[in-house]
Formats: sequence, structure tokens, C-alpha cells
Amino acid sequence: GDSVTQMEGPVTLSEEAFLTINCTYTATGYPSLFWYVQYPGEGLQLLLKATKADDKGSNKGFEATYRKETTSFHLEKGSVQVSDSAVYFCAPISSGSARQLTFGSGTQLTVLP
Amino acid sequence: ETGVTQSPTHLIKTRGQQVTLRCSSQSGHNTVSWYQQALGQGPQFIFQYYREEENGRGNFPPRFSGLQFPNYSSELNVNALELDDSALYLCASSLGTPSYNEQFFGPGTRLTVL
Repeated sequence: GDSVTQMEGPVTLSEEAFLTINCTYTATGYPSLFWYVQYPGEGLQLLLKATKADDKGSNKGFEATYRKETTSFHLEKGSVQVSDSAVYFCAPISSGSARQLTFGSGTQLTVLP
Repeated sequence: ETGVTQSPTHLIKTRGQQVTLRCSSQSGHNTVSWYQQALGQGPQFIFQYYREEENGRGNFPPRFSGLQFPNYSSELNVNALELDDSALYLCASSLGTPSYNEQFFGPGTRLTVL
């Protein structure tokens, strides 16, 4: 089945620092890829997505590029804010009849002022 | 447009009991997926319902069951609760077409089994 390997956390950065969270996956075919964010005590929010190779998803200053050759979908942000502190999950979605998301263990990000 | 809602927010049960969790999907969505998120872990897929039929299932025992209603709302039922069932249960809705596969999550139900 599908699987995801994410950069282990926790990650602690100072405000305005550059962020990279690595994500690699194994999946059948070429799934759509997603980044979700989870703030403390809340459910998951869709952050960005990419549906085919070389697509770049972007939202709120975050970006990730679908790299088919390396099966990667690394999350980046040029200047993080304290409000970005959360847990980030990378997830491919399966191409079968049940479009299930496969999540890694997540990366905890803490941004200090 | 109403987002995904779940009830209750929190629930405490004891081992061996049964529990029902509820989910209202986002307006216009006909597919509901349920996930279990243990503390410090990523969500794990339980099952998915599409137009009132189970459309796929993850690696969970039969005591985890579900329903989807004509209005596309859904229930997750867990029988014979075990301590390891303590988790955040997340419901996600989507449009069940191959070209539209974004899943939108509710806030979750926190289940504690004592």
C-alpha cells in the first residue's frame, strides 16, 4: 500500500526563518499529493495540493512541487511566522475506488518570536 | 457554505461499551471518509462511504462499522470498546468523482476509553 516518510520533528525556527519539511512517498501510479496542517486541538486543514508531476501547489506563502522522479513533495516557506506553529502532514491520495489519504506521522513546527 | 461538522466534541466511555459518532458533510459532498488519529500519530483510514455504500476499508476490525444516510451525513459505530480506541476521530467529506479528490475535515471527536 501507499506510505509516506516525513522529516522527523520537532522543528523549531525563529520568526522569518526559511522552512523546509521533507516528504517522500510510495504509491501506485501517480497520485495527487496534499499537505494538511493541524493546529493544536483542531482537525486537519488542507494547506495545498498538486495533482500531477511538476505541479506546484501554493497557499499562504507555502509551496510544494510534485517531483515524480524522486517521489517527493517537500514543503517550503520563505519566512515563517509564529502563527505557522502547527503539525504538518504530507499525504498522497490513492487512485483506487476509495480515495483514501495516507498520512505520515507529521512534523511538529514551532516558530519562536 | 457549511463546512464539515462532527458531534460530540468529546466523549468518555469505558471498556466494552459501544459508541456512535456523527458527521455532517460539507454541502454538496456525497462521500464521507473516517480516520482515527492516535495521540502523536497521523490519521489512519478507517473506511469510506459513497452514496450510502461502503466504498473501501482500512485495516480496522469489524467492530468498527458505519452508515451513510440519504442526506450524506454519516455515523461511525464502535462496539466492544478497547483502551486503544482512545483517539481523535476525524470525518472528511469530498465529492466522489475521480477528478475532484480533495477531502475536507471536520474538527473531530475526541474519544477517551477508560
